[in-house]
Amino acid sequence: NAGVTQTPKFRILKIGQSMTLQCTQDMNHNYMYWYRQDPGMGLKLIYYSVGAGITDKGEVPNGYNVSRSTTEDFPLRLELAAPSQTSVYFCASSYQGNSGNTIYFGEGSWLTVV
Amino acid sequence: GQSLEQPSEVTAVEGAIVQMNCTYQTSGFYGLSWYQQHDGGAPTFLSYNALDGLEETGRFSSFLSRSDSYGYLLLQELQMKDSASYFCAVSSKGYSTLTFGKGTMLLVSP
Repeated sequence: NAGVTQTPKFRILKIGQSMTLQCTQDMNHNYMYWYRQDPGMGLKLIYYSVGAGITDKGEVPNGYNVSRSTTEDFPLRLELAAPSQTSVYFCASSYQGNSGNTIYFGEGSWLTVV
Repeated sequence: GQSLEQPSEVTAVEGAIVQMNCTYQTSGFYGLSWYQQHDGGAPTFLSYNALDGLEETGRFSSFLSRSDSYGYLLLQELQMKDSASYFCAVSSKGYSTLTFGKGTMLLVSP
């Protein structure tokens, strides 16, 4: 089983550039999430989606956009990259959001903005 | 709002038992989850407590006291591979997603 797959694994961006982090899951999960994790810190929620066509802001949405056109895919768009967006990004999915249902994480995308 | 507190670091030796604590503040509490993350890796689910008491899964146990807004993760027979960060996360009424603590880094020495 592939689970949650995110690409690219590593990327270096110049200030002001834009890019999209791709995420797809094959578990038919309703909920999908994007988190960022700064060194030595916990996971901060950027955006989440409870199903196709529905997205909502998390704790730190500024500078990012998302879309959810299918159940499987949840891309994260960075517009006008800034050094503060240097971080590790994790995509994740779960069957439900607010319960003991396991959240499955992708392997992470390391992004550096210079 | 919601907040969680975890010690930043815990050290222990192989074969020992270690307890990692988590206190939380939230309204409409549903449950407390624990996730493990090895350096450079993805977080992985360990356990979930919705009711008071102890849940055991092999060498891992998780405890919850709803009245004290407190939980802990207990690891027995520590192994070097247990060196990782451990995050507690709370799920609550009115919030569609989990809120994670900042994590406790566990360092296991020989």
